[in-house]
Amino acid sequence: GQQVMQIPQYQHVQEGEDFTTYCNSSTTLSNIQWYKQRPGGHPVFLIQLVKSGEVKKQKRLTFQFGEAKKNSSLHITATQTTDVGTYFCAGPIKRAQKLVFGQGTRLTINP
Amino acid sequence: DSGVTQTPKHLITATGQRVTLRCSPRSGDLSVYWYQQSLDQGLQFLIQYYNGEERAKGNILERFSAQQFPDLHSELNLSSLELGDSALYFCASSGLLDEQYFGPGTRLTVT
Repeated sequence: GQQVMQIPQYQHVQEGEDFTTYCNSSTTLSNIQWYKQRPGGHPVFLIQLVKSGEVKKQKRLTFQFGEAKKNSSLHITATQTTDVGTYFCAGPIKRAQKLVFGQGTRLTINP
Repeated sequence: DSGVTQTPKHLITATGQRVTLRCSPRSGDLSVYWYQQSLDQGLQFLIQYYNGEERAKGNILERFSAQQFPDLHSELNLSSLELGDSALYFCASSGLLDEQYFGPGTRLTVT
């Protein structure tokens, strides 16, 4: 079945360093979504990318959707302790159907 | 606050027992999704309901069942509980972009 893989599984950085997580799908996606889950919390929707090659920014976060719509990345510039958490990508199998989540990348930060 | 509510917040029960988890979607959302998240694991999709009808099924065990009621709240029933069923159970409802809004989760501990 359709799979969404994320790497790395864990990433530990010093505060102020950049961070990137990558997401790859076995099939073309109609869109890719990103979520953040703080420790002890629930996943929170961050953004959705729809177009091939799309790039969106949210302050220090940059999201990219690959040209083939099979991969995506999330880059955080100059990490802060508030960025700690697990970042998940997710892609739909069909519109308005279930999302397939990647395994997530857990980000920890040394202040 | 996502607008999705889940009860109870915590549940401790013994092996072999049966429990019911409850979820109310955001006002106006017709879909409810159920996910299981074990310790340090990703989100495993269990089942989706849309306006009272089962829409998609994931890796849901036969011991588990769900339903969505006319008022759109949903219940997830877990029976013959095993130690391995201990996990966080999230429900979510979906918005206009099919993005998902997660509830705070129910932490189930089976002893």
